[in-house]
Amino acid sequence: ETGVTQSPTHLIKTRGQQVTLRCSSQSGHNTVSWYQQALGQGPQFIFQYYREEENGRGNFPPRFSGLQFPNYSSELNVNALELDDSALYLCASSLGLNSFYGYTFGSGTRLTVV
Amino acid sequence: QQQVKQSPQSLIVQKGGISIINCAYENTAFDYFPWYQQFPGKGPALLIAIRPDVSEKKEGRFTISFNKSAKQFSLHIMDSQPGDSATYFCAASNTGTASKLTFGTGTRLQVTL
Repeated sequence: ETGVTQSPTHLIKTRGQQVTLRCSSQSGHNTVSWYQQALGQGPQFIFQYYREEENGRGNFPPRFSGLQFPNYSSELNVNALELDDSALYLCASSLGLNSFYGYTFGSGTRLTVV
Repeated sequence: QQQVKQSPQSLIVQKGGISIINCAYENTAFDYFPWYQQFPGKGPALLIAIRPDVSEKKEGRFTISFNKSAKQFSLHIMDSQPGDSATYFCAASNTGTASKLTFGTGTRLQVTL
């Protein structure tokens, strides 16, 4: 059983650029959530995807967008990068929408905006 | 608005001791309370979770105590080991559709020899 795989592991971008982060969900999981974890903080919910549709969004601006594909993998896109976007971006997959199923997190993508 | 408050921010415990981390929540709609363990360079991993219909849940050396009326819950790590040194996050969720995890700010635990 494979876990959640995220790529790339590290990324450095310049302010104003755009970035795409990728996530392969755990086998059998149809729901993907994205979280932003600033240094020394707990993860903050960005949004969740279920069957290729966005199903819930946290307090993040529209320049944060995502996609889920038929194989349940997902992308997180961030436009017009700002310095405060520097963080660890975590993808989590689960068996369904209900959080009681439990989430499996990937190791994250460390994004640095300079 | 921080809906889950966690304390302490850091904790040093001797090997064999008991580590205790506390969390308090505000949203009474929360009905699922997991704890996650995170090692450097890794994503959070589910450690143990509880629903509000029970006051305590134990799995090995890890125990969650839950006080619904006080809106507080805590993680107890018995016989703490150096391998337990990690950052621990409490979280809370409303287990409806579009449920999301609201995390605390984390506790950095160091278990010394």
